[in-house]
Amino acid sequence: EPEVTQTPSHQVTQMGQEVILRCVPISNHLYFYWYRQILGQKVEFLVSFYNNEISEKSEIFDDQFSVERPDGSNFTLKIRSTKLEDSAMYFCALWLEADTQYFGPGTRLTVL
Amino acid sequence: QKEVEQNSGPLSVPEGAIASLNCTYSDRGSQSFFWYRQYSGKSPELIMFIYSNGDKEDGRFTAQLNKASQYVSLLIRDSQPSDSATYLCAVITGGGADGLTFGKGTHLIIQP
Repeated sequence: EPEVTQTPSHQVTQMGQEVILRCVPISNHLYFYWYRQILGQKVEFLVSFYNNEISEKSEIFDDQFSVERPDGSNFTLKIRSTKLEDSAMYFCALWLEADTQYFGPGTRLTVL
Repeated sequence: QKEVEQNSGPLSVPEGAIASLNCTYSDRGSQSFFWYRQYSGKSPELIMFIYSNGDKEDGRFTAQLNKASQYVSLLIRDSQPSDSATYLCAVITGGGADGLTFGKGTHLIIQP
C-alpha cells in the first residue's frame, strides 16, 4: 500500500477563519481526491484532481473550497471561511490501479 | 441522485461464524464496487473490490455482485473479534476522475 500522510491530524479553528489541510503522498499518483465525513454520517466525495486540475467535484464543493498542488508534492484543501457545519474528518485519497482508492489517515477539523 | 443503502446495524455475529453484509445501489451505470472497513476514528481501509457479476474470494472475505438486482454483499468467514468495525459499501460509475459514493455503513460486532 502507498504511504500518504495528512497534516495536521487535528485542526481547531474559529468560525470564519481559513484553514488549509495538507496531504503528502510518498510517490506520484495520477488522481487525488478529497472526501469528508461528518461525525456519524457517511463518507462524502468532495473533489478529484488530475494533472493539476479539478476533474470532478460534488455539490458540496462550493466556492469556499479550493484545491491546489502548490509544489508538485503536497496536495492541499483550503476552506476559505469556515462554518460550524464544516466540522468533520477530511480524508485525502489516491488512485491506485483498477479504480481503487487508498485513503490517508485524515484530518479532524473542529470549527468553534 | 446516486444512492447506496446499507443496514446500519449493529450486526452481532459469534466468533467463528460467517458475517453477511449487504448493500444496494441505485445507479445502474455503476461499474465498480468496493468494500471498505473503518475502525472508529480511523480512515476507510479497502478490503475488496469487484467489477463482474458473481463471487470474488480473497482469504476469509468473499464479495458477491448481482448487477441485475443492484446488490452487493460481503461475506466474512471465521469471524474474529478484530473484524468488529463499520463496513462501508462504495460504488463508482466512471473511471479515475469519479469519486466514490458511499453507504452509511454497517456496524459489525463479533462476539467472543
